[in-house]
Amino acid sequence: VQLVESGGGVVQPGGSLRLSCEASGFNFNAYGVHWVRQAPGKGLEWVGFMQDEGGNKFYADSVKGRSTLSRDNSRNTVYLQLSSLTSEDTAVYYCAKGSDYTNTALDSWGQGTLVAVSS
Amino acid sequence: QSVLAQPPSASGAPGQAVFISCSGSTSNIGSRRRTVNWYQQLPGTAPKLLIYSNDQRPSGVSDRFSGSKSGTSASLAVSGLQSEDEADYYCAAWDDSLNHYVFGTGTKVTVL
Repeated sequence: VQLVESGGGVVQPGGSLRLSCEASGFNFNAYGVHWVRQAPGKGLEWVGFMQDEGGNKFYADSVKGRSTLSRDNSRNTVYLQLSSLTSEDTAVYYCAKGSDYTNTALDSWGQGTLVAVSS
Repeated sequence: QSVLAQPPSASGAPGQAVFISCSGSTSNIGSRRRTVNWYQQLPGTAPKLLIYSNDQRPSGVSDRFSGSKSGTSASLAVSGLQSEDEADYYCAAWDDSLNHYVFGTGTKVTVL
């Protein structure tokens, strides 16, 4: 099982970006995927969750209204689109898959991609 | 501000045990529908699932780690402390009022 995030980088305040999470080694269609972020020196913050087969989507209040989750099952990839970025969005963004036991137990994580919002 | 409260730090000598609490509410830990998960984050690495469904260990996780839940609180116990247990530990659960997942504030474990 492997999850690989990409799409991070330096973004100007007010800008937008799209993060990707490409999965391999498991039946991607059957699992929900979460996004979790961690600001420098801070704790984990859940960002959003998309159920398997493109079902329901859930967002943290901190990103609701300026974020969109989507998935392309043909590419085994989940996307997180973020807009109106501020310095508060600077963080390492991880994607993680729900487990066989429950989709709220995140049993495999990517290595993370760093998003830095700066002018 | 996280809705799941944890002590910022815990410590113990090698071989001893540490206990980490996680305090929530009736909309998350205290909900009969919801279970608690625990994650370990070693320095510079991604988090790892340590305990799921309150007290279950994924394959490959040492039995020195155990979890429990009672009412609106949960607890993680680490027995036989080893230097490699030095890490940050987070509890997490789905919150029915917020309708999203929440992490605890995190606890840094130090092996003296």
